Amino acid sequence: QQQVKQSPQSLIVQKGGISIINCAYENTAFDYFPWYQQFPGKGPALLIAIRPDVSEKKEGRFTISFNKSAKQFSLHIMDSQPGDSATYFCAASKDLGNEKLTFGTGTRLTIIP
Amino acid sequence: IAGITQAPTSQILAAGRRMTLRCTQDMRHNAMYWYRQDLGLGLRLIHYSNTAGTTGKGEVPDGYSVSRANTDDFPLTLASAVPSQTSVYFCASKGQSTDTQYFGPGTRLTVL
Repeated sequence: QQQVKQSPQSLIVQKGGISIINCAYENTAFDYFPWYQQFPGKGPALLIAIRPDVSEKKEGRFTISFNKSAKQFSLHIMDSQPGDSATYFCAASKDLGNEKLTFGTGTRLTIIP
Repeated sequence: IAGITQAPTSQILAAGRRMTLRCTQDMRHNAMYWYRQDLGLGLRLIHYSNTAGTTGKGEVPDGYSVSRANTDDFPLTLASAVPSQTSVYFCASKGQSTDTQYFGPGTRLTVL
């Protein structure tokens, strides 16, 4: 039972383009939605996160769009750079203060020159 | 400040052997977690601990045990390793004043 579905599995984007990764969740009790970035041989690191009281959060070139009614959220990377090439995981959790994260299956992003 | 350290970095283990993966954090975080990462499956929670002295089961706890004797250490034990436990294992921690889970560098375990 996969509670957080992530797509696409892999993505190739040209430098300067927009990378978009999508996630959908089933549990309406989820109230925290982070995105993690992972480089080869490293542990995941938090990139950006959102709570359902807002529909969008932007940090630099990274934006989360959140659609509560559709139970979907997405990561947009503007002006994608080769250094953004990594694996991205969406996640979700419930019970504020007791965040046991449920992760998506990951998207391998490659930015080509 | 080291953050989270994990040991060993990698290990090849014969099936049936006992193995303990070590995790230590120096951030005085109250919560700690163990995940396994498998290609195509993302990260799945094995066990967690909200505070020293307490532990709980995650999504895939079978074949694993944990203990939390103090704030800093959260070892993961495989009592009798099986090939399906071949994976990359990540330890993570989180403080009470933050939503962020911080991950260690991982342990790559191969069970033959």
